[in-house]
Amino acid sequence: DQQVKQNSPSLSVQEGRISILNCDYTNSMFDYFLWYKKYPAEGPTFLISISSIKDKNEDGRFTVFLNKSAKHLSLHIVPSQPGDSAVYFCAAKRSGGYQKVTFGTGTKLQVIP
Amino acid sequence: EAGVTQFPSHSVIEKGQTVTLRCDPISGHDNLYWYRRVMGKEIKFLLHFVKESKQDESGMPNNRFLAERTGGTYSTLKVQPAELEDSGVYFCASSQDSNRVTGEQYFGPGTRLTVT
Repeated sequence: DQQVKQNSPSLSVQEGRISILNCDYTNSMFDYFLWYKKYPAEGPTFLISISSIKDKNEDGRFTVFLNKSAKHLSLHIVPSQPGDSAVYFCAAKRSGGYQKVTFGTGTKLQVIP
Repeated sequence: EAGVTQFPSHSVIEKGQTVTLRCDPISGHDNLYWYRRVMGKEIKFLLHFVKESKQDESGMPNNRFLAERTGGTYSTLKVQPAELEDSGVYFCASSQDSNRVTGEQYFGPGTRLTVT
C-alpha cells in the first residue's frame, strides 16, 4: 500500500525555468512533509519540509506547497539550475513520539542547460 | 563533522550466503534507521533504533534479517540466508532526538547488495 505517491518518474526542464514536482498522499494522519534530494551514488539529503499547519514554506529557490484537502504537495524550484538535476523524494510522517518516515518512489529531474 | 558512513559500498553474494552491512551514524545521534530501496521503487523503512533499543522494527521483511546496535553506536544489518529479492540499496540514516518530530535525517551513501 503506497501511502506517498509520486506519479511522475521523471521530469525535464530548461535551465532558468520553473520545476514543479508533485506528490500525493493517502494517509490523513500525516502532518509533516519533507522533500529529499538524491544524487547518484549518494544518500538522500534533506531539502525542505512543511508542517500541516502551513500551506507554504520557502527556502531560497525552493518552495513547498501543501494542499491538505487534496492530500497533495508540490515542490517548486525557481529558477532551475543544472546542479538541481537529481532524484527528488517526497516523504511524510505523523507527529508525536517516534513516528517513521514514509517515502515516495522519487522523481528524476533533469535540468537542461 | 563526519557524516553517516556505510560499509561495504557494494556487495555481491550468492543466494543462500550471509552478508553483514555496517553503519556508523553521526556521533551523538541517538536515532539510527535502516531503509532499503529496490530499483525504481520507494525508499522503504526497515527499522529504527533509539540508542541500543529497537524502537520500531515493523518494516523488517522477515526473520532472515537481523539488526543490532550494540552499545548504541554503530549498527549492523545481517541477512542470512540471502534471497534474490533481497537485492537493492540499503541506506542507513541517523538523527538527533530533536529531529524526531520533523523527520529530518542524515543518510549514508548506501550499500548496494546484489544477490545472484
